[in-house]
This record gives sequence, structure tokens and C-alpha cells, in this order.
Amino acid sequence: DAGVTQSPTHLIKTRGQQVTLRCSPKSGHDTVSWYQQALGQGPQFIFQYYEEEERQRGNFPDRFSGHQFPNYSSELNVNALLLGDSALYLCASSFFSAEKELFFGEGSRLTVL
Amino acid sequence: RKEVEQDPGPFNVPEGATVAFNCTYSNSASQSFFWYRQDCRKEPKLLMSVYSSGNEDGRFTAQLNRASQYISLLIRDSKLSDSATYLCVLGGTYKYIFGTGTRLKVLA
Repeated sequence: DAGVTQSPTHLIKTRGQQVTLRCSPKSGHDTVSWYQQALGQGPQFIFQYYEEEERQRGNFPDRFSGHQFPNYSSELNVNALLLGDSALYLCASSFFSAEKELFFGEGSRLTVL
Repeated sequence: RKEVEQDPGPFNVPEGATVAFNCTYSNSASQSFFWYRQDCRKEPKLLMSVYSSGNEDGRFTAQLNRASQYISLLIRDSKLSDSATYLCVLGGTYKYIFGTGTRLKVLA
């Protein structure tokens, strides 16, 4: 039973570029959430996707966008990269219900130069 | 005020010691609470859920105090393998709110 998989694991971009991160949820899960974790901080909620719709969004600018596909996989896109976007981007999958356990992927570590 | 506050530590304790972490939260309407563990440069993993009645899982005990709006995690008989960052988490239908984490280092 495959867990949450993310790609790429590491990437380096320069300011102003765009990046797409990908996530495949754990088998059977229908909900994908994205989190940004800066060094020394806890994960910060970016947004959640369920039934191919963004259900809620955290305090992130419109440069951050996402998508969920019919097979429940998801993408996170970040445009016009800033140095401050350097972080570990974590995808978490779950069932769409209360008090659910989040299962995280290993993350995509983005460095913006 | 932050929604979830934790002492970042680090807590350096000898093997076999008992250590406790607290976490305070500001939203009194919060309904679900968790402790996640995160090893260095790895993803967070659920350690345990926290219930009003308190719950125990082996050497780990979690407590919730709704009146004072804090949750706690107690680790007994610390092992070297317990060294990690412990994240306090408030659950919700859509988003989970994570604390900054408390670093624990268990020393031989």
C-alpha cells in the first residue's frame, strides 16, 4: 500500500521563476492538503482540495495555486518565486471527515536563489 | 496571539528521564487535538490523538485541559529514539494548525 508520494524531492529555482510540485495521495484517500514548512517552523496550511475543488485556503497569496485531478492526485503551483518561498512543501492526504489523521509525504524541498 | 504556542526548546534530557511538553491554544472552539512527531528533515507523523479524558499509549500520555486551553504530552522512560520535534496540532474540517514544535534531545 503506497503512502503519499511527492515529486520532485529537491529543486532549485531562481527568483521570478515558476514551480510545480506534485502529490499522489495514500491509496483510498480523497483529500489533499498542502503545507509550507520554513526552517525551524511548524507546517503552515496553504490549501485543501476535495472533489477537485479548493475547499479552504490559508494566508497565502494568489501566486500559490493548486489543482486536484479525478484520480485525487494534486499539484501545487507557485508563480513569481521569492526568496522567502524557500521551504519544505508537504502534501498531506486524508479522508474528508472530522478528526482525520493526516498522512504526509516526504516533502519537496524548494530553494529559491 | 498565535493560535498554537509551544516552547521550542530544546529539551535535553538523559535516557530514562520523564519529560513533559505543554502547548496552549487560543481558539476555545477547537474540537480535535493531536501530537505529531517530526524527525530531522522528515515528514510529520501522527504520534497520538488527544482526548478530553486523557489517553495513554505505552510510555506516552496526552492530556487536554479545555478550561485552561492547553494540551500536554508526557514521555516516560525516555529513549534515544525519542529525539525529535513534537508538534502540537489543532484539527479542523479543512485545515490543521500546527505549533512550531518542541525539540527533544535524549542524551546517552
